[in-house]
Amino acid sequence: DQQVKQNSPSLSVQEGRISILNCDYTNSMFDYFLWYKKYPAEGPTFLISISSIKDKNEDGRFTVFLNKSAKHLSLHIVPSQPGDSAVYFCAARDSGGSNYKLTFGKGTLLTVNP
Amino acid sequence: GAGVSQSPSNKVTEKGKDVELRCDPISGHTALYWYRQSLGQGLEFLIYFQGNSAPDKSGLPSDRFSAERTGGSVSTLTIQRTQQEDSAVYLCASSLAGLNYNEQFFGPGTRLTVL
Repeated sequence: DQQVKQNSPSLSVQEGRISILNCDYTNSMFDYFLWYKKYPAEGPTFLISISSIKDKNEDGRFTVFLNKSAKHLSLHIVPSQPGDSAVYFCAARDSGGSNYKLTFGKGTLLTVNP
Repeated sequence: GAGVSQSPSNKVTEKGKDVELRCDPISGHTALYWYRQSLGQGLEFLIYFQGNSAPDKSGLPSDRFSAERTGGSVSTLTIQRTQQEDSAVYLCASSLAGLNYNEQFFGPGTRLTVL
């Protein structure tokens, strides 16, 4: 039973345009969401997070939107750059469980074309 | 400063053999995690260490898997009698620990291939 779903395995955008990566979840007890970026042969690195009490968090070119009623979050990257090409993982923490456990989606491979 | 390091970076083994994977966390991080990423899957939680507390082993898939953390620093994940389905990238992460969630810093992973 996949509680965090990233339904798009891959996404390709042009440099300078917006990249939108989507994530859906099923567990209503999730209270904290994170996005990680992963380059080949490297471990994931933390990108941005959002608490369930907010609906938006912005950090430079990266903005995460949370729609709790739809159990949906998205990561917007504007403008997209070739260096953003990586696999992006959505992750969530269960407020009813341990605060250190994260549930990850399968990831979306973003390719930004020059 | 140095990040999380893992060794080896790649390991090829034959079915039935035992393997040991090593993780050196960031100095000062009291929490250490092991995850597994199988092909086409997300990261799967395996085990969590926090200080001197009993580890949370709830994610270990079978009793062939075990992990130790010596001296509150280096950790070793051991897989006994490896099976082909154990082939995956094994990732280690560390973090500070507290009541609230703390960012987990990941190592580059060990790619395990069981023939």
